[in-house]
Amino acid sequence: AQSVTQPDIHITVSEGASLELRCNYSYGATPYLFWYVQSPGQGLQLLLKYFSGDTLVQGIKGFEAEFKRSQSSFNLRKPSVHWSDAAEYFCAVGDRSNDYKLSFGAGTTVTVRA
Amino acid sequence: DSGVTQTPKHLITATGQRVTLRCSPRSGDLSVYWYQQSLDQGLQFLIQYYNGEERAKGNILERFSAQQFPDLHSELNLSSLELGDSALYFCASSAGPLQGGFGNTIYFGEGSWLTVV
Repeated sequence: AQSVTQPDIHITVSEGASLELRCNYSYGATPYLFWYVQSPGQGLQLLLKYFSGDTLVQGIKGFEAEFKRSQSSFNLRKPSVHWSDAAEYFCAVGDRSNDYKLSFGAGTTVTVRA
Repeated sequence: DSGVTQTPKHLITATGQRVTLRCSPRSGDLSVYWYQQSLDQGLQFLIQYYNGEERAKGNILERFSAQQFPDLHSELNLSSLELGDSALYFCASSAGPLQGGFGNTIYFGEGSWLTVV
């Protein structure tokens, strides 16, 4: 069964600084990987996804993620954080055999300080 | 706006009661998923329907049931509610399986907050 680990429960970053959120997955085949963001009191919004092809994936809001098969990782990055990026971020792996039924990591909460 | 609509947004009910959460998927999506988000369990997959039929089951309690109707909307029924059932329940939808390849994205609604008192 697939699983996702997000090693960092909470990250604090200064506005304008870079951000990297770590995600490690366990899956028996080529994974389908996703990053979602959840703002306080809101639903889950898809930031980006990786299905195949270029391992560097661009998403919305200036985010990007890089798939590294050798490290079983799919880390999310943003070069310059804005205060509105304060939220909880979830990495997820999709089950290829089942319409991408998603398994989520525990999430990383990002706090942005002025 | 993901296009997935969930009602009600907030619900407070007493232990032992039964509630129904409703979900309208994005236009044209055939697959509907239900997820539960709680502080102790995180985001957990509950159940999936595709075009009216149950396709996959996750960590769904026997007290919970779901169905997808011919118009593709779905309902999650939660009965004999316990304090521990308090959570945010998400519905999500996707186009469903593709022949010979994958590429569908799962879109989430804003969730239904259930508080059991």
